[in-house]
Amino acid sequence: GAGVSQTPSNKVTEKGKYVELRCDPISGHTALYWYRQSLGQGPEFLIYFQGTGAADDSGLPNDRFFAVRPEGSVSTLKIQRTERGDSAVYLCASSPTGANYGYTFGSGTRLTVV
Amino acid sequence: SQQGEEDPQALSIQEGENATMNCSYKTSINNLQWYRQNSGRGLVHLILIRSNEREKHSGRLRVTLDTSKKSSSLLITASRAADTASYFCATDVPYNTDKLIFGTGTRLQVFP
Repeated sequence: GAGVSQTPSNKVTEKGKYVELRCDPISGHTALYWYRQSLGQGPEFLIYFQGTGAADDSGLPNDRFFAVRPEGSVSTLKIQRTERGDSAVYLCASSPTGANYGYTFGSGTRLTVV
Repeated sequence: SQQGEEDPQALSIQEGENATMNCSYKTSINNLQWYRQNSGRGLVHLILIRSNEREKHSGRLRVTLDTSKKSSSLLITASRAADTASYFCATDVPYNTDKLIFGTGTRLQVFP
């Protein structure tokens, strides 16, 4: 596609529910990143994929968070047993190869846990 | 954790004035990048400067890098109301996978 697409753009869920956030990167970009951003803060790194594999998942806050990229293109961030503290904007970005190029970001998914 | 810190946290100026934002970081880098964010959603890549470069220009943007001081500055000349946004610096983390770490941001307000 022409840009990075994230769906849904907004998600409201009840505490304890399971949610999936989807990212469709630019075609041909091998590197895909998930970040989380709270109000007034900079993006916080969650996980980085190079192709199909998670090259670095050190930013995932706990085992309720999991992400996949089974075919090396679309990625899904999964959050189990959501908590109110998970409320944030979840940003996805892709890059041709990695951090030596600029990232292209999607518009984000605003997750609100009530 | 945040690698970079921007200074100031907030900046208000009139149209036509220049805006300067600074970024300090902690570890050695291969490159430093600046991004703009409107309305708390997707970030837009502005400019990338590599560790062996000292200055780079792109339109009304000028970025400098001082690796000895571990700092960078972003200058926006002849600012416009449309430049109102948050600006973030981001650095890679050599020898620690291929990701960017973002700073805390400067919120720029340009008044018409």
